[in-house]
Amino acid sequence: EAGVAQSPRYKIIEKRQSVAFWCNPISGHATLYWYQQILGQGPKLLIQFQNNGVVDDSQLPKDRFSAERLKGVDSTLKIQPAKLEDSAVYLCASRGTGGGEKLFFGSGTQLSVL
Amino acid sequence: GENVEQHPSTLSVQEGDSAVIKCTYSDSASNYFPWYKQELGKRPQLIIDIRSNVGEKKDQRIAVTLNKTAKHFSLHITETQPEDSAVYFCAASKSTAGNKLTFGGGTRVLVKP
Repeated sequence: EAGVAQSPRYKIIEKRQSVAFWCNPISGHATLYWYQQILGQGPKLLIQFQNNGVVDDSQLPKDRFSAERLKGVDSTLKIQPAKLEDSAVYLCASRGTGGGEKLFFGSGTQLSVL
Repeated sequence: GENVEQHPSTLSVQEGDSAVIKCTYSDSASNYFPWYKQELGKRPQLIIDIRSNVGEKKDQRIAVTLNKTAKHFSLHITETQPEDSAVYFCAASKSTAGNKLTFGGGTRVLVKP
């Protein structure tokens, strides 16, 4: 079974630039999550999708972050404009309806904002 | 919302000794408690999980205990090996909130040969 795919693996940008991350969940997984993991901390949920609908985006900084999952499969997370404090690893995770509560993570995108 | 505290933040043990990591959670409705292991530069990997209707679960050298009354759960690693060196995260979720995981701050475990 293929895992959660994310790209790019690394991204370096200057502050005020924009950046986008892509995630393809495990096939058939209806629930998709984006987490932000700042160095030395645990992952923090940014947004949760159920199919193509947003379930929870209460911790998403909506003035600069946006995310979509238009067809209920892959998803894109965008930051515009980026700030220095956005430097982190952005992890995508997915969960299947038949798989109980288990979340499966992608390898993440490491973002450095200079 | 849910808040998960994890201790200690770093743990150094001699190979063969046991390691214990403790977590507390705030939301009594949380009913699922996984533990993830994250090696440097890699994705978090689920190593063991426990549901609120169970008090203890074992998988070879790893065990997790849950005390619902006190709202805390612990990870126990016995006979530690150098490959156990990693950062470990506890988490909590509840099925009524979309099963979103709230993570602890992590414990960096170093197993010295």
